[in-house]
Amino acid sequence: GESVGLHLPTLSVQEGDNSIINCAYSNSASDYFIWYKQESGKGPQFIIDIRSNMDKRQGQRVTVLLNKTVKHLSLQIAATQPGDSAVYFCAEKDSGGSNYKLTFGKGTLLTVNP
Amino acid sequence: DGGITQSPKYLFRKEGQNVTLSCEQNLNHDAMYWYRQDPGQGLRLIYYSQIVNDFQKGDIAEGYSVSREKKESFPLTVTSAQKNPTAFYLCASKPGYQETQYFGPGTRLLVL
Repeated sequence: GESVGLHLPTLSVQEGDNSIINCAYSNSASDYFIWYKQESGKGPQFIIDIRSNMDKRQGQRVTVLLNKTVKHLSLQIAATQPGDSAVYFCAEKDSGGSNYKLTFGKGTLLTVNP
Repeated sequence: DGGITQSPKYLFRKEGQNVTLSCEQNLNHDAMYWYRQDPGQGLRLIYYSQIVNDFQKGDIAEGYSVSREKKESFPLTVTSAQKNPTAFYLCASKPGYQETQYFGPGTRLLVL
């Protein structure tokens, strides 16, 4: 989702539950999407990516879903652990633009309660 | 130990001073990037370089300068013309054939 001012959207879950983090994008020409995880005070880490010719992609404990009709991307984390607590943000690449540039979302803060 | 390194972790700038942030990668990546991150905002692109001795301005290049004399290194200078430099600065790199960018640990710049 989008943030307002300095406040990020937040999601609070219990340890062991599944988490779903959402990202809305506006560019219908975007053809490649990435999810990053950023822990406090650290650089973003790559989690998983998906191309626009796919609807779903699975990794280890994570699944990314892409709905091009409504321009919506989601990241599902199974059996959420305290170490998953971080800011998660999506990035997209425009198919008509340079291979070198990504546009980043503002992020969602995930808090996992033990 | 491969990866992207940034130094220093924290940097303090006085009024009117230029400061340089270091970014080094040993991944043999062609492209390198500098982003600025402010609380509650997405990453904003300052400069990027696709190959050695070439670089392009990003969305917020004013008050910043870069060089790319070596493939491994892409230092960013925050000049005195940047009036609001306090932020978390992130360096990234990627191979030329991929879209995915990989990030360093970041440098937090504070103004005294």
